[in-house]
Amino acid sequence: GAGVSQSPRYKVAKRGQDVALRCDPISGHVSLFWYQQALGQGPEFLTYFQNEAQLDKSGLPSDRFFAERPEGSVSTLKIQRTQQEDSAVYLCASSFSRAAYNEQFFGPGTRLTVL
Amino acid sequence: DQQVKQNSPSLSVQEGRISILNCDYTNSMFDYFLWYKKYPAEGPTFLISISSIKDKNEDGRFTVFLNKSAKHLSLHIVPSQPGDSAVYFCAASGGGYQKVTFGTGTKLQVIP
Repeated sequence: GAGVSQSPRYKVAKRGQDVALRCDPISGHVSLFWYQQALGQGPEFLTYFQNEAQLDKSGLPSDRFFAERPEGSVSTLKIQRTQQEDSAVYLCASSFSRAAYNEQFFGPGTRLTVL
Repeated sequence: DQQVKQNSPSLSVQEGRISILNCDYTNSMFDYFLWYKKYPAEGPTFLISISSIKDKNEDGRFTVFLNKSAKHLSLHIVPSQPGDSAVYFCAASGGGYQKVTFGTGTKLQVIP
């Protein structure tokens, strides 16, 4: 497909479980972003990759959150020991180059519900 | 600390009229501003952007105005169409860096 894809689209986890969310960016896109969107809020930055390098992880809310992009394409956001406050939509976005002011293309998101 | 603010959570406009969505920001380092549109169960889609060296950018029915001294920007949609009904997010970045800070969104309803 031509766009950013994310899987799963929906995930229900029991509190304390680990989850892994996958993002397939647009082929050839250098930059990749993860955002968290709580209900009624705008997307909030979590972390940023340029190829396989994680250049900014300042938005990750705790050390339970971990992201990787080992080969510079697919990325995984892992949340360990999930808590109810982790319930949100997790959005992935990619952009063509490392230059600033490039349009970010968003995937449809993964809706995580922690019971 | 909400650096990008959209104070109107919702807006209703009659089809054919102008829609005006407002956004305020507090961070003086922001120098690039974007509007994204979001339909339910989809990711945000880029709509239009403006650099701080300009005060207006136009793309078809969509125009964004930037008032740097007031730290305010607005999106004008003319004429509004029912398909424009969506949530609109204002966003900003700065310092030559791609990290984008989003507002909380304004839900626009265009009534046929």
